[in-house]
Amino acid sequence: AQKVTQAQTEISVVEKEDVTLDCVYETRDTTYYLFWYKQPPSGELVFLIRRNSFDEQNEISGRYSWNFQKSTSSFNFTITASQVVDSAVYFCALSGRSYNTDKLIFGTGTRLQVFP
Amino acid sequence: DGGITQSPKYLFRKEGQNVTLSCEQNLNHDAMYWYRQDPGQGLRLIYYSQIVNDFQKGDIAEGYSVSREKKESFPLTVTSAQKNPTAFYLCASSTAGRNSPLHFGNGTRLTVT
Repeated sequence: AQKVTQAQTEISVVEKEDVTLDCVYETRDTTYYLFWYKQPPSGELVFLIRRNSFDEQNEISGRYSWNFQKSTSSFNFTITASQVVDSAVYFCALSGRSYNTDKLIFGTGTRLQVFP
Repeated sequence: DGGITQSPKYLFRKEGQNVTLSCEQNLNHDAMYWYRQDPGQGLRLIYYSQIVNDFQKGDIAEGYSVSREKKESFPLTVTSAQKNPTAFYLCASSTAGRNSPLHFGNGTRLTVT
């Protein structure tokens, strides 16, 4: 069975602090994709990154970076020098196959609050 | 600008009434999805459609129905059979394929009393 666990329900930081959001996944597929989405207060989810199971290189995009480690089944997300605009709920998701159907499995999300 | 439009943003209904949530996209995406979001439970898939005139049940389809008569439109009806319909509903679309990122609408918050 596929599963995504985001153990951190809520994180609060002060602006300019670095923060890491954890994501642990379970899957029996040898080929899979991992995603991160951001849900600001407006409600829509915004796609941040996609990573396939064969590419374990870390990725950096501005203040955002992602650490993918197959050995620990983790795909953690770090925000450097956090800003108030980073306040949102962040979802990790796994592209999996269930009953011959492809589907996206979401974690329960981590609410990040960045205080000025 | 291309995107997904969900309407209305807030919807109130009395128990026992069916209600239809609208979702329109102009991204020319083949696949469309409906998710339900409840506090602390993440997103759960209700229905999805990979092509016009075809759709499949997701994990929590009971009490819901959909149609896909046009590529751009994927309305969701919450029927009176849905036992706990109050939730935040998100529509999404993507190009074909499981690895394609989803594009989401702004959601509809449905309250049933």
